[in-house]
Amino acid sequence: AQTVTQSQPEMSVQEAETVTLSCTYDTSESDYYLFWYKQPPSRQMILVIRQEAYKQQNATENRFSVNFQKAAKSFSLKISDSQLGDAAMYFCAFRDDKIIFGKGTRLHILP
Amino acid sequence: NAGVTQTPKFRVLKTGQSMTLLCAQDMNHEYMYWYRQDPGMGLRLIHYSVGEGTTAKGEVPDGYNVSRLKKQNFLLGLESAAPSQTSVYFCASSKYSGSSYNEQFFGPGTRLTVL
Repeated sequence: AQTVTQSQPEMSVQEAETVTLSCTYDTSESDYYLFWYKQPPSRQMILVIRQEAYKQQNATENRFSVNFQKAAKSFSLKISDSQLGDAAMYFCAFRDDKIIFGKGTRLHILP
Repeated sequence: NAGVTQTPKFRVLKTGQSMTLLCAQDMNHEYMYWYRQDPGMGLRLIHYSVGEGTTAKGEVPDGYNVSRLKKQNFLLGLESAAPSQTSVYFCASSKYSGSSYNEQFFGPGTRLTVL
């Protein structure tokens, strides 16, 4: 069975600095997709970034980028120029037929 | 385009009562999912459906039943609620996977408390 592990329950970063959230996963599949979702206090789940496993190039969305290491089964999220609005729970997710989520990392932004 | 909606938004039940949570999507998505979110546990998949008339068990299906009689609706039922089912429930939908990735679109969540 697939598993997703986020080893950092909480992290803090100074506003305007860069922070990296870790995620590892376990699967025997070769074709799958990975996502990072953001959940602010409103509880709404918001897609931040996605990565196809067959693509070697790391995905980037504005200030958000990933470091995808397929052999190591690692999928970390880097947030550059952190803003107060980035404060939220962040969930890493793995998808083949259904999505499996990690337990989340709560990110605090320090002014 | 309302996206994914959930009814109700909040509910308080007594142990042993039953209820049904309704999820509706207007995006013509084939796949629909029910998750529960508990503190420190992330989102855990309860049941999911890959199309009208079909359902499948997820990680934590016990104590829940589901039905997908119409493509746009996915119902989650609790026949005899227990305090352990106190949680926030999220519904999500996505297009048919096929060969391309598809993100899930989430509803706003239902906060359920079982006393």
